[in-house]
Amino acid sequence: AQSVTQLGSHVSVSEGALVLLRCNYSSSVPPYLFWYVQYPNQGLQLLLKYTTGATLVKGINGFEAEFKKSETSFHLTKPSAHMSDAAEYFCAVSHGAGGYNKLIFGAGTRLAVHP
Amino acid sequence: DSGVTQTPKHLITATGQRVTLRCSPRSGDLSVYWYQQSLDQGLQFLIQYYNGEERAKGNILERFSAQQFPDLHSELNLSSLELGDSALYFCASSALTGANTGELFFGEGSRLTVL
Repeated sequence: AQSVTQLGSHVSVSEGALVLLRCNYSSSVPPYLFWYVQYPNQGLQLLLKYTTGATLVKGINGFEAEFKKSETSFHLTKPSAHMSDAAEYFCAVSHGAGGYNKLIFGAGTRLAVHP
Repeated sequence: DSGVTQTPKHLITATGQRVTLRCSPRSGDLSVYWYQQSLDQGLQFLIQYYNGEERAKGNILERFSAQQFPDLHSELNLSSLELGDSALYFCASSALTGANTGELFFGEGSRLTVL
């Protein structure tokens, strides 16, 4: 069975500081990994995804994540936080493409950015 | 705008009642997924339909049912509602093409409040 663990339900950073949101996954097959962001009263928006190939993936709004198979991790980073980054972030895993496979989500990490 | 449309956006009802949530997927997407988001359970996968047929089932209660119609829109029926069913219900869709990489596109959700 697949699962996702997000370490830290709440993370608070200063504007301009590094953002690091942690995600570890469990999967018996090569995973597809995703980070989604949810702004208040909105749906989930894809930030970035890893399927195959380059393990460092870049997404929207300056975010990036690195797939580390040996550590079963897919941590999300951004060099410099902006106030507009305040939102809830979800890591998710699926084990394939083709539209057949549901995403399993972590519990989410709420990011607060203070001046 | 993800292209996934959900109605109604907000719904308030009483315990014991029945409601229907509607979802129109992105144009051309054959797969529809339903998720429940609550404070204590996080994002839980409920059910997936592909081209009118049930594809995968998650933590969906027997009081809940769904279907996907020939025009590919989907409905989630919730009956004998309980206070604990209050949540945000998301619909998502995905393509089924060779280029698909498992990404889901989410609607803005239907917020159900059971009083």
